[in-house]
Amino acid sequence: ETGVTQTPRHLVMGMTNKKSLKCEQHLGHNAMYWYKQSAKKPLELMFVYNFKEQTENNSVPSRFSPECPNSSHLFLHLHTLQPEDSALYLCASSREGQGPNEQYFGPGTRLTVT
Amino acid sequence: DQQVKQNSPSLSVQEGRISILNCDYTNSMFDYFLWYKKYPAEGPTFLISISSIKDKNEDGRFTVFLNKSAKHLSLHIVPSQPGDSAVYFCAASAGNSGTYKYIFGTGTRLKVLA
Repeated sequence: ETGVTQTPRHLVMGMTNKKSLKCEQHLGHNAMYWYKQSAKKPLELMFVYNFKEQTENNSVPSRFSPECPNSSHLFLHLHTLQPEDSALYLCASSREGQGPNEQYFGPGTRLTVT
Repeated sequence: DQQVKQNSPSLSVQEGRISILNCDYTNSMFDYFLWYKKYPAEGPTFLISISSIKDKNEDGRFTVFLNKSAKHLSLHIVPSQPGDSAVYFCAASAGNSGTYKYIFGTGTRLKVLA
């Protein structure tokens, strides 16, 4: 397995459900990110982890809870979501610490909240 | 207020001709810029980058131009190929120590006509 993988690719959940999105990077990177892409909106940065430490929480509601157990894995735990949370959730990784670097994205999880 | 703007939501170009995708930004602190390409059902793929110390960067058929005084960058694809049909995002970042945060535009959908 190479690059950045995300599971599941599609998820439909009710507003009272609890689910988790998983991301794994096989690139030896030390930073990982969660982005949200809603229709006709730019990618919105949600969370940043650098060396497993959360360095950014972009005013994300507490119904989204990230977890980064190590520099290769990133989770997004979801609970009591709202229909407006339906979107494409993208994970990315990068090598940080030596100047700017491009981020490598996974294929995304298409989330529908009913 | 969007700091990175792609004002053309779509563009159609004949195969073999030049495609020019534009991006404007408002934050003069941005010093590193990326272009990504996204196919349906896939995550964005890094294409090319440029630092603010340069005004041009070229990689094969792709060239990015940066006009700092106008706060404008453009991506030129020549010759355009049908496989280039995708959504193109520009992204910008202000240099800080640690993890770089990118602000993305809303994307331009390029269609290359055979």
